[in-house]
Parts: sequence; C-alpha cells; structure tokens
Amino acid sequence: GQNIDQPTEMTATEGAIVQINCTYQTSGFNGLFWYQQHAGEAPTFLSYNVLDGLEEKGRFSSFLSRSKGYSYLLLKELQMKDSASYLCARMDSNYQLIWGAGTKLIIKP
Amino acid sequence: DVKVTQSSRYLVKRTGEKVFLECVQDMDHENMFWYRQDPGLGLRLIYFSYDVKMKEKGDIPEGYSVSREKKERFSLILESASTNQTSMYLCASSPTGHVEKLFFGSGTQLSVL
Repeated sequence: GQNIDQPTEMTATEGAIVQINCTYQTSGFNGLFWYQQHAGEAPTFLSYNVLDGLEEKGRFSSFLSRSKGYSYLLLKELQMKDSASYLCARMDSNYQLIWGAGTKLIIKP
Repeated sequence: DVKVTQSSRYLVKRTGEKVFLECVQDMDHENMFWYRQDPGLGLRLIYFSYDVKMKEKGDIPEGYSVSREKKERFSLILESASTNQTSMYLCASSPTGHVEKLFFGSGTQLSVL
C-alpha cells in the first residue's frame, strides 16, 4: 500500500526537544516532506528531504533514511506556538504527495 | 507572499444541492490542487490541474468535478452533495517544477445536512 505512519499525538514540555517519527513505503519514492498545521489553519511547508541525512533549519531539523523508509522531524527549544499538527508526506513516482494523518503535538508549560 | 484564497470559510448545504468551492491564487502558479482533510486520515487528493483548461483525477474524484477557465482560479464542484462529503476542503497551488512546494488556502469546512 501507500501507508505513511506517524504517531497520532505527542506531548512535550516547553523548552525541551521532541522527535516526531514517520515511516513510509519505500517503492516509488521521490522525496519526503514535513508540513506544520495549526488548528483551523492551512498547512505550511517546513522541510523537504530527498537524500539521506539531516537537514537543519533553525530550531527544526528533518532526517531521512531512504533504505529504512524512515524520517523524523526534530524540534528543539520548544515554544508554546509549536503546538500544532505535523504532517509527513512522501512524493511518489508520479510526483504526487501521499500524506500521513498527522501528529498532533501538545506543548505544556 | 503567495496568497491562496478560498471563498468561504464555513459552508452548510443540504443533501442534493450543487456546491461550488472557489479558489484563487495570486502568484501565477501553474499547478493547483483540491484536497479534502478528514480526522484520522491524511490529506486526500481530489483533482489537480497543471494548466488552464487542464484537469486530472486524483485519488478520490468520485462525486466531484473541477473547472479551471483561468490560470488563477480553480473551482471544485459537488454536483449533488451528500453527507459523506462533509469535510474540510483545502485548495493549494505550486509553481512549475516545484509540485512539492504547496501553498495552501485556509480551507472551507463544508457541512452537508
């Protein structure tokens, strides 16, 4: 199938670090994406990984292992505004995005 | 900043009604998409378009149609709304060669009673 699996919900503390994992089917893979979606708002692009390794962008980093069909989004120095859903998506061989159901991240003071 | 505007934030319609959801983008993007988002499910692609007058079916096109008469506008049509079409509808656009860099509208929450 085209399953993308990510945890439904995670809780973390303000100032801490959290890692959101995503696993996906490896066939027909053309890239892995992370989007952030605040409640009631549009998803916004966070990161795009096509090669193995870690991509850092400020407090957010995204990692990809193509052979393992695995990615994670790492959020450092968590702030209350980071409370949102984080959507993992992979691009298939037709250059269409296949989306996970999203991980709701709750930040507590 | 790219702006993708959906005409309605909330919409309530009755079963059997014809429903039009409008989407306009202001950055001259060639690619436009319609998704629906339901709790516990990932975004699902309904239809997309890579050019004016062009349309392609996505993963769940049944019960929907689209229109793209102008580059900046992509309309989603529910020919005869049904209760299982109650959902959040998201429009998105992206520039040529960058289908992955989607810019989304704020969404239309459609309730079909």
